[in-house]
Amino acid sequence: GENVEQHPSTLSVQEGDSAVIKCTYSDSASNYFPWYKQELGKRPQLIIDIRSNVGEKKDQRIAVTLNKTAKHFSLHITETQPEDSAVYFCAASIEGYSTLTFGKGTMLLVSP
Amino acid sequence: NAGVTQTPKFQVLKTGQSMTLQCAQDMNHEYMSWYRQDPGMGLRLIHYSVGAGITDQGEVPNGYNVSRSTTEDFPLRLLSAAPSQTSVYFCASSYSKGGQAYEQYFGPGTRLTVT
Repeated sequence: GENVEQHPSTLSVQEGDSAVIKCTYSDSASNYFPWYKQELGKRPQLIIDIRSNVGEKKDQRIAVTLNKTAKHFSLHITETQPEDSAVYFCAASIEGYSTLTFGKGTMLLVSP
Repeated sequence: NAGVTQTPKFQVLKTGQSMTLQCAQDMNHEYMSWYRQDPGMGLRLIHYSVGAGITDQGEVPNGYNVSRSTTEDFPLRLLSAAPSQTSVYFCASSYSKGGQAYEQYFGPGTRLTVT
């Protein structure tokens, strides 16, 4: 089955800095890669996703890049703010299938 | 729409007890899943369903049963609770269209402690 590795497990940045979280996946058939944000005590919520037919997608301060050859995808957050502090999860799946395989998560702490 | 709802929010069980975690969605999604979340382990899939009457095992199915008699409901049963099942449980629903997967919507979670 699919295996998703996520790094780093914790990331501390100063407000205004950029943050990058990286994930690798094992199944070359995977073609859908969402990212979820989970605030303390809350449910995970989708923040951005990318499909394998594109290499990059942006939404305001958030961007995701995908390298299919290397089986690697990354989340980039620019101009970080304290409210970006949360746990971020990457995931991978094969479109047409209903299940996601998640990475173990990255705790992002943005200090004012 | 209420989205995905879960009950109860919190539960304490003794070892060996059984219980059912309830999950319901009102978005007419065909796909529903149960995950457990443990510190440092991410979200691990327990069981999932691709439609009423169809269920399958995920990564960590042992000790859990599911059924899907309606599109809306997907209960998770703990047969004989063990301390290793202490966790936060999330139910999620999603749909696909034209072969494309779409967002999984998560419920608020159930925090279960087994003593």
